[in-house]
Amino acid sequence: EAQVTQNPRYLITVTGKKLTVTCSQNMNHEYMSWYRQDPGLGLRQIYYSMNVEVTDKGDVPEGYKVSRKEKRNFPLILESPSPNQTSLYFCASSSGQGSTEAFFGQGTRLTVV
Amino acid sequence: QKEVEQDPGPLSVPEGAIVSLNCTYSNSAFQYFMWYRQYSRKGPELLMYTYSSGNKEDGRFTAQVDKSSKYISLFIRDSQPSDSATYLCATFKGGGGADGLTFGKGTHLIIQP
Repeated sequence: EAQVTQNPRYLITVTGKKLTVTCSQNMNHEYMSWYRQDPGLGLRQIYYSMNVEVTDKGDVPEGYKVSRKEKRNFPLILESPSPNQTSLYFCASSSGQGSTEAFFGQGTRLTVV
Repeated sequence: QKEVEQDPGPLSVPEGAIVSLNCTYSNSAFQYFMWYRQYSRKGPELLMYTYSSGNKEDGRFTAQVDKSSKYISLFIRDSQPSDSATYLCATFKGGGGADGLTFGKGTHLIIQP
């Protein structure tokens, strides 16, 4: 089954404690991205990757890092989380940057206290 | 002005009604227009897409784009309680540029049995 898998689904952490949200896709997609979804603000792109070792900033990259060492994995790293990063996070993949269909993971609800 | 504007709702209609969901956009370079559906606690899923102006029909769903007025619509006929979800419009320019999808904030739709 084609899918994008994120872990964990739910996470509560404290300010400043480094964390990583993993994302893996089994569709051999080149393009992967991270979004955060907040009430009243919708989906906003954090980072994207057009292929292995190729990453770039989206609309709201501050406070986040990513890496793309393998095609299937695209982890999101919060080096020093802050309460304003409390949000619902989605990883997405597509066959190419120009694809109309992005496949989304189930989401990770992060709370930073 | 946001690139894609969408009324967040909620929009509540009785079962069987025709639903009209709408977005406006500001960038005339957008060529592809998508509708994603997001159920509670799930990631968005592509419902349908259109290229440039025109209509596209898929079962009870019709997507319509009017590029002259920069207006995107989704019509749902014979609405069902299972259609209750958040509907997000999305656009992108195409043409191989680095831009990803630009999403509206989403409209929360409730179909009352």
